[in-house]
Order: sequence, then C-alpha cells, then structure tokens
Amino acid sequence: GQQLNQSPQSMFIQEGEDVSMNCTSSSIFNTWLWYKQDPGEGPVLLIALYKAGELTSNGRLTAQFGITRKDSFLNISASIPSDVGIYFCAVGSNYKLTFGKGTLLTVNP
Amino acid sequence: DGGITQSPKYLFRKEGQNVTLSCEQNLNHDAMYWYRQDPGQGLRLIYYSQIVNDFQKGDIAEGYSVSREKKESFPLTVTSAQKNPTAFYLCASSVLTGAFGYTFGSGTRLTVV
Repeated sequence: GQQLNQSPQSMFIQEGEDVSMNCTSSSIFNTWLWYKQDPGEGPVLLIALYKAGELTSNGRLTAQFGITRKDSFLNISASIPSDVGIYFCAVGSNYKLTFGKGTLLTVNP
Repeated sequence: DGGITQSPKYLFRKEGQNVTLSCEQNLNHDAMYWYRQDPGQGLRLIYYSQIVNDFQKGDIAEGYSVSREKKESFPLTVTSAQKNPTAFYLCASSVLTGAFGYTFGSGTRLTVV
C-alpha cells in the first residue's frame, strides 16, 4: 500500500511551546487530513485539506496542503496538556484513507 | 445522538479461537471500514464496505473475515488463521462523497493468550 512518511515519531515539549509535524508521500494526493487520537480512543478529525497550497486553521491548529500535493504539515501553537496524544496524517484515494504511522506528542505541564 | 459503537472495549481469547468484534453505526453512512492499530505502525486497513452485501479486502485482510448484511452493521471476525491477532481494532464509517469525513468508534482491544 501507499507509504506516508510522518515525522517526528515522537515529541516531548513544555506547555506553551509551539509544535510542528509533517507528512510526505512519493505520490500525489488530492486530499490530506490530520487526525488526533487520545489514548485508548478512536481518532478524531482535526483538519481536512482539499486544495494544493491551502492553509487552514482550527483554533490553535494550522495545517497546510503542500503545493506539490505530496506533503502537508500541522502546527500547534501554545500547547496545553490536553494536546497529548497521537497525531496522524492521512491521504484519501478511492474512498479509502491511508494513514501515516503517527506522531506521539507529550506535553509537560 | 448519532455515532458509531464498537463492542466490547476489551476482549480476551485463547489462541486458536475465532472471535467477532461488533461495529454498529446510526449515522446512515454508506461506507464502513476496519483498521488495525499496532504501536508505531499507524492504522492499517483490513476490510471495507461501500454498500450492503459487498466488501473488499484492504492491505492486511489475511486471517480476517467480515459481513455486511445491514447498512448499520459491519462485524469483523478474527480467525485462528490470523498469526498475530493481539491489537487495537478500530471501526469507521463515512458517506461516499469523497470528503473522507471518517467517524471512528472508540476501538476494541483484543488480547489473545
């Protein structure tokens, strides 16, 4: 299946710091999404991107769809303890999603 | 409230036994999916269904089986042929508009001993 390279694998930050993570693919996709998974729960959609170059914000979250359609990044500003969890990028094709391996975020109060 | 329900939350089975995981949605979604999650591996697609009485294999279908007799239900059976069944299993559903607004259940953690 399609491989998505998501980095970093894990991050340990202090409360209040900004966070950046990214995802790349060797293929072009028309849909990029970012999900967050709390421990022991299912992922929840944070941001969906449908247009190359698109920059979308959702509160303290900002995500961009790369102009080449092969990458995307997610930024979290002013992190808080409830931001802890696993963040997944995903790409859509033929009504199916392929997920990256995730970035585990730990926020120290 | 509309949503997608997986049960049970935790499941223990002996090696060699088949086990069925339940997934029910009341969102009127056409498509349903099963993913497997292992630490550091992301989410891998097992099976998906876009319409009642039809389903397709995902990337790691070996050792699993599904049925889609009703729009609301998409149970997953982990058979004894699955060599490493211990994992966290996630069910999801979506409309078929291409918007990929997947709604996930809260997962079932299966442990085979």
